[in-house]
Parts: sequence; structure tokens; C-alpha cells
Amino acid sequence: GAVVSQHPSRVICKSGTSVKIECRSLDFQATTMFWYRQFPKQSLMLMATSNEGSKATYEQGVEKDKFLINHASLTLSTLTVTSAHPEDSSFYICSARAGGANQPQHFGDGTRLSIL
Amino acid sequence: AQSVSQHNHHVILSEAASLELGCNYSYGGTVNLFWYVQYPGQHLQLLLKYFSGDPLVKGIKGFEAEFIKSKFSFNLRKPSVQWSDTAEYFCAVNAQETDKLIFGTGTRLQVFP
Repeated sequence: GAVVSQHPSRVICKSGTSVKIECRSLDFQATTMFWYRQFPKQSLMLMATSNEGSKATYEQGVEKDKFLINHASLTLSTLTVTSAHPEDSSFYICSARAGGANQPQHFGDGTRLSIL
Repeated sequence: AQSVSQHNHHVILSEAASLELGCNYSYGGTVNLFWYVQYPGQHLQLLLKYFSGDPLVKGIKGFEAEFIKSKFSFNLRKPSVQWSDTAEYFCAVNAQETDKLIFGTGTRLQVFP
């Protein structure tokens, strides 16, 4: 149980393109979904937290107009990187959680984004 | 501010050796503690978690961790590692008040047969 599907796994596109990444909880309802970014040889850094039906909460330094998050249902959240540039190239990982802070997050496989 | 440090960046062991990976955090309030494992080419998977109660928690695949509140530590242990334990291990701490999961930088474990 507790499977999270993230799609696509890899994206290569030109600078200026907008890219949408989907995160789905397949066998549970996720009241909260999280988006992380991981740089090479570094840890996961939380970008934003989203609760179903409400606006996402962004971490300091993360541009909300650049990284649009939509959490339309209890099983789906999307991250759109708008007008992506080479510095946005990174590994993006989503997680989903049913319940509060004392429940574990379940992670997707991640999306490798490469902007040329 | 909340932070997590993992002291060992890269650990190399032979099969059957004992393992202990250190994890310390800085936060004065109530915390929930996790160890995640990432096998090569796979997503992060939960190894074990601590919320309350017995500070010695047992997880999957023979792993255990001990929460020592006075030391702000949550070290991961396994008495006898296997080649299949080769992976990256992440300690993570969620402060009850902020509900943000902060990860350590990870420890890469290589086990040789």
C-alpha cells in the first residue's frame, strides 16, 4: 500500500517552456502533498506544501509564480515549472500523506528536469 | 531553525558487519523522527518511524533506531548488514509545530560480499 506515482520521470526541454509534473496517490487519499527539490549530492529541500482545495504554502525563497502548484483532489497534485530556464534543472520529488504530522510521507520516484 | 545532521557521508562495510548511522537534530519542541532508504534507481521508502512511546523502534529488514531525547539523536542500527542493504539512508525530522519534514544530507552505504 501507500503508492505514489509521479509522472513524467524525465523531461528534457528548451528554455522558456513550461513543464507540468503530476503526483498521484494511487491507493490512499492524501490530505497533504509536498514538493521537494534535490540538487546533486545534497538533501531534499522542501519547496511547498499543498492541502487539497487550498492554496499551497511555499518555503522561503521559492517563487510561487515560477512553481505553480495545484492540488485539485485528494489523489492528485501538480507542479508546473513556468518558463523554465537552465537553472531550474533539477530532480523534483513529490510526497503524499494521509493525516497529520505524525504520519509518514510516501514518496514518488521523482522527475529529472533538464532545461537546455 | 530546525536542522538535521548525518555524520557519516559514506560508509563501506563487509557483509555481516554491524552498522550504526548517526543522526542528530536541532529543535527544542516535539518531533516525529523517520529513517528513509533509497535503493539505487528507486524512490525513498520508509524504514522506520518514531512518534512516542518506546524510544527503541524496530523497522523493516532488521533495522532499528533509538531516540535519545537528551542527545537529540536518532541513530540507525543493524546488527548484521547484507549486500542488499547497499543504498542511501536519510534521517528526517518533522517538528510537530511546523509540520515540515527536514532531511539530513544522507549516508551512502556500500556493502561488499
